[in-house]
Parts: sequence; C-alpha cells; structure tokens
Amino acid sequence: NAGVTQTPKFQVLKTGQSMTLQCAQDMNHEYMSWYRQDPGMGLRLIHYSVGAGITDQGEVPNGYNVSRSTTEDFPLRLLSAAPSQTSVYFCASRQSESYEQYFGPGTRLTVT
Amino acid sequence: KQEVTQIPAALSVPEGENLVLNCSFTDSAIYNLQWFRQDPGKGLTSLLLIQSSQREQTSGRLNASLDKSSGRSTLYIAASQPGDSATYLCAVAARSFQKLVFGTGTRLLVSP
Repeated sequence: NAGVTQTPKFQVLKTGQSMTLQCAQDMNHEYMSWYRQDPGMGLRLIHYSVGAGITDQGEVPNGYNVSRSTTEDFPLRLLSAAPSQTSVYFCASRQSESYEQYFGPGTRLTVT
Repeated sequence: KQEVTQIPAALSVPEGENLVLNCSFTDSAIYNLQWFRQDPGKGLTSLLLIQSSQREQTSGRLNASLDKSSGRSTLYIAASQPGDSATYLCAVAARSFQKLVFGTGTRLLVSP
C-alpha cells in the first residue's frame, strides 16, 4: 500500500491564481480530511468527508472547496489564492471504525 | 471550544535520559487522544492512540497515559536516542465531530 499520497510537494502561486491539491489513499478508508499547519497554530481542519459524495466544513473552510467523487480521492481547490493561504497542507484518512488517522507527506504552498 | 496545550514547547536532553511530554485539553468529553511524531518537512506518523475508556497505551519505549477527568495526557519516552529527535504532537477527537484538535507540539532534541 502506498498509504496517503499528496501532489505536488511544493507549489508557488501568485495572488488570485487557482489550483488543486491532490490527495489519494489506497486503504479503502471512508473518512478523509484536509488540514493546514501554520507556525504557532497547530494543525487546523479545513474540510472533511465521511464517504464518497459527502463533504463538510471544518474549522477554517473559507477560500477552499472540496469534492469526493470516489473513495480514493479527495482534492482540495483554491479558487483565488491569497497570501494568507501560505501554509503546509496535509491530507489524512481513517477507517470508519477506527479513529487512527494516517497522514500524507504534505504540500508546502507559498502565495506571493 | 476544545483547546489543546503542550508543554514544554521545546526540550533538549542528552541521549539515554527518560523524559515526559505533557498534553492538556479543556473539554474532557473526548473520544480518544492520539500522539504523533513529525520529522522536519515530513508528514505526521501516529505513535499511540488511547481510547477514552483506556488509561494508557505502550509501544516499545513509548508509554502514553490519559486522565480524562483532569484533561491531561503524558507521553513517556524511555532511554531516549538521537533518532527520537522530532516534534511530538497530541490531538484529541471529540465524540460528535469527525476532526482532531491538535496541540502546537513539543520539539524534542536528543543529543549524542
């Protein structure tokens, strides 16, 4: 199993540009989520999904969109990037019956 | 609102020492608590997960305890090694939400 994979590893955007951060897992996990990690803030939940076709907002959802068309994939879209979205983004997944979370390696995003 | 605090923010010890990392949370109505390790520029690796009904979990040189009533957890590392150098994060899962609330971590440096 590859576990949780994320692409790209690094990205630089200009303010106003859009992009999609990719996340995939091959463990057949129902639950997937996106977090951002900022210095001194800890990890904060952006969006999560409890299964294909079902998504919900987390703690800091503004400026981000998600969809879950398959069990495996959970992309995160930035529609109009802002410097405040400069962060490291982590995707995570878990089985519905187990709360142990598995994290991807992260995407480091810089918005200038 | 659940808040998670980790003390100390940074810790430097010589190799071979036993050490304790602390985690406190404000709302005792948790489902479980999870300890993670994060190496620089990497994702999070799950170390131990303690369900709310449990008092402790052990894995190798690691032992995590949970006292829900006082809102505290400790991670005990025995006979520390330079390879233990990393940031250690604790996170709590609330019963009614699908998210983890993270502390800001303890950065550990074990010198040879």
